[in-house]
Amino acid sequence: AQSVAQPEDQVNVAEGNPLTVKCTYSVSGNPYLFWYVQYPNRGLQFLLKYITGDNLVKGSYGFEAEFNKSQTSFHLKKPSALVSDSALYFCAVSPYMEYGNKLVFGAGTILRVKS
Amino acid sequence: NAGVTQTPKFRVLKTGQSMTLLCAQDMNHEYMYWYRQDPGMGLRLIHYSVGEGTTAKGEVPDGYNVSRLKKQNFLLGLESAAPSQTSVYFCASSTLPQGNLRTEAFFGQGTRLTVV
Repeated sequence: AQSVAQPEDQVNVAEGNPLTVKCTYSVSGNPYLFWYVQYPNRGLQFLLKYITGDNLVKGSYGFEAEFNKSQTSFHLKKPSALVSDSALYFCAVSPYMEYGNKLVFGAGTILRVKS
Repeated sequence: NAGVTQTPKFRVLKTGQSMTLLCAQDMNHEYMYWYRQDPGMGLRLIHYSVGEGTTAKGEVPDGYNVSRLKKQNFLLGLESAAPSQTSVYFCASSTLPQGNLRTEAFFGQGTRLTVV
């Protein structure tokens, strides 16, 4: 069965410092991987996805993610954090052979950026 | 551009009552989904639909029913609400995959449901 693990419930970083939010996955076949962000009392917003090709994926708001097949990881990164990046971040996987574009989510990681 | 709209945004139910959550999307998407979000558990798929007139069970379908009579609407029903169904419910939609390329989902703003 496919699964996603986000090992950190919360990540704290100072404004201007680089940030990393970790994600590992378990899935049969090739993975389709996604990152979403949720601001308080809002729905989820798409940040970026890995489908195929370059292992470094660039997305919205200056975020990027690195796909590592051998470590089954898809960590979210940003070179310089902003206070406005504070939110709940979800990693998700869409299994390769499954019909319907369904997503399996991790539990989420709260990112707090302090000024 | 409204995207995905959920109605209502908040609701309090008594145990045993029924209700229907409505999701509407204006992006002509084929696929629609209902997820529930619980603390520490991320989002879990309840039911989904791959086209008008079709529905299928997700990871946690018990206690819920769905219908997709029109392409733009996806209804989630609770026939007899239980406290365990207290959650935040999200509707989402997505286009057909572009060849082998998966497309991202667009989410509504959520419905906060409390069952007392």
